Amino acid sequence: GQNIDQPTEMTATEGAIVQINCTYQTSGFNGLFWYQQHAGEAPTFLSYNVLDGLEEKGRFSSFLSRSKGYSYLLLKELQMKDSASYLCASMDSNYQLIWGAGTKLIIKP
Amino acid sequence: IAGITQAPTSQILAAGRRMTLRCTQDMRHNAMYWYRQDLGLGLRLIHYSNTAGTTGKGEVPDGYSVSRANTDDFPLTLASAVPSQTSVYFCASSDRGGGNPDTQYFGPGTRLTVL
Repeated sequence: GQNIDQPTEMTATEGAIVQINCTYQTSGFNGLFWYQQHAGEAPTFLSYNVLDGLEEKGRFSSFLSRSKGYSYLLLKELQMKDSASYLCASMDSNYQLIWGAGTKLIIKP
Repeated sequence: IAGITQAPTSQILAAGRRMTLRCTQDMRHNAMYWYRQDLGLGLRLIHYSNTAGTTGKGEVPDGYSVSRANTDDFPLTLASAVPSQTSVYFCASSDRGGGNPDTQYFGPGTRLTVL
């Protein structure tokens, strides 16, 4: 079956670094997406990986290992506005996204 | 630039009533999607459309229908609402075939409560 696993909740301190892990198992693979979703709002696109390695975009970086079915989102210099849920999604062979339940990130001052 | 709009923002509906959730995009994206989001669960695909005139079933299509008469609009209809359809509904679109990645962009959502 198809499955995406990520932690339910994480807590971190303002100014620190946090890594949110995601493991995936899908029928075929056409890339791994990360989205941010603030409470009561729509998901917004953060990053996309299809090749192994690290993609850096400002304070956010995303890593992919296709052989391990593993990705992580790294957030540096955490700000209070980073408090949100982070959704991991794998694109399957039909180009449909299979979504994890999301990781709620709580930032403490 | 509006992107994707959804209407209504929220709705309380009596069980058994018919309801259409509206979704319109102005990005000329060929693909559109309807998801529901429930607490503790990931986004689940209800129906999708890869191009105007075609639709397909997602993971949880029962009790829902869609149509795609043109590129911009993708309404979702609940023929006879039941309490288990209480959820937040998101419409999304993507420029499939327009080059990597096939990124989906989301509307603001409709919060539906069925009593």
